[in-house]
Amino acid sequence: SQQGEEDPQALSIQEGENATMNCSYKTSINNLQWYRQNSGRGLVHLILIRSNEREKHSGRLRVTLDTSKKSSSLLITASRAADTASYFCATGRRDDKIIFGKGTRLHILP
Amino acid sequence: DSGVTQTPKHLITATGQRVTLRCSPRSGDLSVYWYQQSLDQGLQFLIQYYNGEERAKGNILERFSAQQFPDLHSELNLSSLELGDSALYFCASSVAPGTEGTIYFGEGSWLTVV
Repeated sequence: SQQGEEDPQALSIQEGENATMNCSYKTSINNLQWYRQNSGRGLVHLILIRSNEREKHSGRLRVTLDTSKKSSSLLITASRAADTASYFCATGRRDDKIIFGKGTRLHILP
Repeated sequence: DSGVTQTPKHLITATGQRVTLRCSPRSGDLSVYWYQQSLDQGLQFLIQYYNGEERAKGNILERFSAQQFPDLHSELNLSSLELGDSALYFCASSVAPGTEGTIYFGEGSWLTVV
């Protein structure tokens, strides 16, 4: 069964706007990672946040983690056409498994 | 380029057949992960190896098996193939065992079972 569940399943926004994606999970984790996948390609690592961290930034990306609510969010600021992709959260669990959600499909409109 | 190499890139085979997917991890990485991605099931964790030993097992069918060789490359064997096995199979690698670090994905092997 899937661990992470991304929300929304799909998101369309205008170029330049901010995009926010959420991820919820069920069990205790060591860390949570976000990945991007362009259609039919391999997944590319974006950012890792550890269970004792609350927020992390990387360029236009901001990730938050709330372990009490078992949720994380990924914010992409000032979106660009090249950000069109699927975004996945992956939970690093205590049983050594890295489990992915079903992803959010992000479409940036020109 | 992640440095993870998967072969073949595309494969079409008939039901009941057996195929082997191959993965070369990034130089220096000791962990190898296998994932299956299909439209209806998303990205499913199959199995992880670390330095030749099985580390964690996910939703891997009994018809599937994997191993990691002394040179650290890995193979995923899929047998008695069914139509529902058609998917994109990813290999990923990392330096550390478990969930400690970033995992790097290959471009995947597209399997079509007809």
